[in-house]
Amino acid sequence: EDQVTQSPEALRLQEGESSSLNCSYTVSGLRGLFWYRQDPGKGPEFLFTLYSAGEEKEKERLKATLTKKESFLHITAPKPEDSATYLCAGSGNFNKFYFGSGTKLNVKP
Amino acid sequence: EPEVTQTPSHQVTQMGQEVILRCVPISNHLYFYWYRQILGQKVEFLVSFYNNEISEKSEIFDDQFSVERPDGSNFTLKIRSTKLEDSAMYFCASRAGSINYGYTFGSGTRLTVV
Repeated sequence: EDQVTQSPEALRLQEGESSSLNCSYTVSGLRGLFWYRQDPGKGPEFLFTLYSAGEEKEKERLKATLTKKESFLHITAPKPEDSATYLCAGSGNFNKFYFGSGTKLNVKP
Repeated sequence: EPEVTQTPSHQVTQMGQEVILRCVPISNHLYFYWYRQILGQKVEFLVSFYNNEISEKSEIFDDQFSVERPDGSNFTLKIRSTKLEDSAMYFCASRAGSINYGYTFGSGTRLTVV
């Protein structure tokens, strides 16, 4: 069964305290792994697309990496405005995304 | 920045009533989607649409659901006879030919069935 699992469910960090979020996947013929940010009451906002193991993408304080079984979203020196739920999704044909349950990140000043 | 627009933002309906959720995708996008998120659960796929036909649909997307692109700009999701378990946030999404930027999601319609 195609599935995406994220951990931890929730993460509290102090401002400036770096950490990583995990996304493990079992999606047949994975062609893309996607990271999104979701603020309360809003739709997911695109962050990264990763296509193959070993690939890395960066944007400001965020860096996403991909292996054959999992992906990590590294947050370096987070700020309170980085507080959100981070969603991971895998897709085998781009018609359908399998989303994880998300990691709710809270960054305290 | 271009965005996907969904209306209404919140709809309350009685069980058994028909509802139509409306979406205006980004103008040059070719692929369209509906997802939903029941409170506290994962975002789950409903249907994908390309070239005026359904590309793929989930088990959730049964005969009670239908999608339509009635003109060049709107994309609608119809639920014929709503059930309590249809209460969720419904997200429309679209993408261009390339998947490099993933899907662009709208802000959602919160559907409450009473």
